[in-house]
Amino acid sequence: QVQLVQSGSELKKPGASVKVSCKASGYTFTSYAMNWVRQAPGQGLEWMGWINTNTGNPTYAQGFTGRFVFSLDTSVSTAYLQISSLKAEDTAVYYCARVRSGSTEYSYYYYMDVWGKGTTVTVSS
Amino acid sequence: QSVLTQPPSASGTPGQRVTISCSGSSSNIGSNTVSWYQQLPGSAPKLLIYSNNHRPSGVPDRFSGSRSGTSASLAISGLQSEDEADYYCATWDDSLNGRGVFGGGTKLTVL
Repeated sequence: QVQLVQSGSELKKPGASVKVSCKASGYTFTSYAMNWVRQAPGQGLEWMGWINTNTGNPTYAQGFTGRFVFSLDTSVSTAYLQISSLKAEDTAVYYCARVRSGSTEYSYYYYMDVWGKGTTVTVSS
Repeated sequence: QSVLTQPPSASGTPGQRVTISCSGSSSNIGSNTVSWYQQLPGSAPKLLIYSNNHRPSGVPDRFSGSRSGTSASLAISGLQSEDEADYYCATWDDSLNGRGVFGGGTKLTVL
C-alpha cells in the first residue's frame, strides 16, 4: 500500500544539524511532489515548502530559507529534510506529505493525500 | 497568524451536526480548491476532504465539505465520540509566488 515512512525521533543540541528522512513506497516516487510540514508543540500545521521529485527543485516558504534544505535520493524513493544551526524554536514534529496538485477548467487543486507519521526533533542543551 | 481563519474550538453532542468554518481571501480560497484534515490526538494529519467536497475512499459520508466565495466549511453529521480531534483547512495561495497555507485549526470536542 502507499505509505511514507519517516525516520525516528532526534534529540540535538543547539547549533547542531539534523537530517530527517521520508521513504516512499507503493507508488512511483517521482510522479508526485513532496511537502514538508512543521507542527510546533501545541501549535497548528505550518507549510514549510515542497520539492519536485522529478526535477529535484525545492520551494521554501517564508521563514524556512537558509537553514532548511529539501533533497532527494530517487534511487531509494526517499526525501530528506536537513536543518542546520538548530535552535530551540526548531523543536517540533516534522511531517512529509505527498502532494496532489493540478489545474482544472475552473481552479487549481492542491492537497496532501498521504502523510508520514512524523519525526519529532527536540533541540535542547 | 494563519492565512486562513478557523474558530479555535467547536463542540457538539453525539448525533448532532457540527460545522467548522474556514475563511480566506481571493488569492487562496477564492481561486483554489480547499482540503480538510483530521488530526487525532498524538497522530499525523489525515486527509478528510479534497477539492472542496470530495471524500477519499474510507472516509465516512458523515463528513462533507463546501466552498462559497472566499470561505469554506466542513460539516460533520451524526457526531461520534471518535470525531474528537483537531481539524485543519488548507489550500494554495497565489500570493508570494505561490505557497501552501493552512488554517489555524479547530479543536472539536464531543460532549
